[in-house]
Amino acid sequence: QSALTQPPSASGSPGQSVTISCSGTSSDVGGYNYVSWYQQHPDKTPKVIISEVNKRPSGVPDRFSGSKSGNTASLTVSGLQAEDEADYYCSSYAGNNNWVFGGGTKLTVL
Amino acid sequence: EVQVVESGGGLVQPGGSLRLSCAGSGVTFINHSMHWVRQAPGKGLVWVSRIGRATSTLAESVKGRFTISRDSAKNTLYLQMSSLRVEDTAVYYCVRDTAYAFEIWGQGTVVTVSS
Repeated sequence: QSALTQPPSASGSPGQSVTISCSGTSSDVGGYNYVSWYQQHPDKTPKVIISEVNKRPSGVPDRFSGSKSGNTASLTVSGLQAEDEADYYCSSYAGNNNWVFGGGTKLTVL
Repeated sequence: EVQVVESGGGLVQPGGSLRLSCAGSGVTFINHSMHWVRQAPGKGLVWVSRIGRATSTLAESVKGRFTISRDSAKNTLYLQMSSLRVEDTAVYYCVRDTAYAFEIWGQGTVVTVSS
């Protein structure tokens, strides 16, 4: 199972919006509406911020949104804040009770 | 308070074995799939294994070497790791699944494979 493809880095200024892509195949991202996104601050445990492509768990700010088109999913962070600086990972169900993660994107708030 | 606590990590020589455990407090595992996810030092997240009510799956990289199991009565998850390799060195997270997402994470246990 190959990892999903994410850009290694992304950046934006406070208040701006940034979008992180997550490319897979028809066997994972494109085949199921089970894409999720995780935020991980340095030396912290990952935290789910988006599930099922575009659902925000309770407590996650609505500045975070998810979408999917074909084999590519996207995470958009609007109104960037300093605390959004972190690593972001996408994940997708890949069928037959297998899962796959993306390589991660380091988001820098300039 | 919701807590997922892993244990059993440590330093082991290549070819050795370890058994990781994961206990839930204030959170039930019984009606959820459970996973192990690992993260090598300075690297990204990698899915390792999943167990449901009756079935389990393993990533290709650990097939034949790792076994996942659970004791629902004890609300505990296990990962038996054998024939360990240097590249298995990582923090191992126990994670509860909800709607095919990794919802509740433990703090992780460190496994170091080195001679």
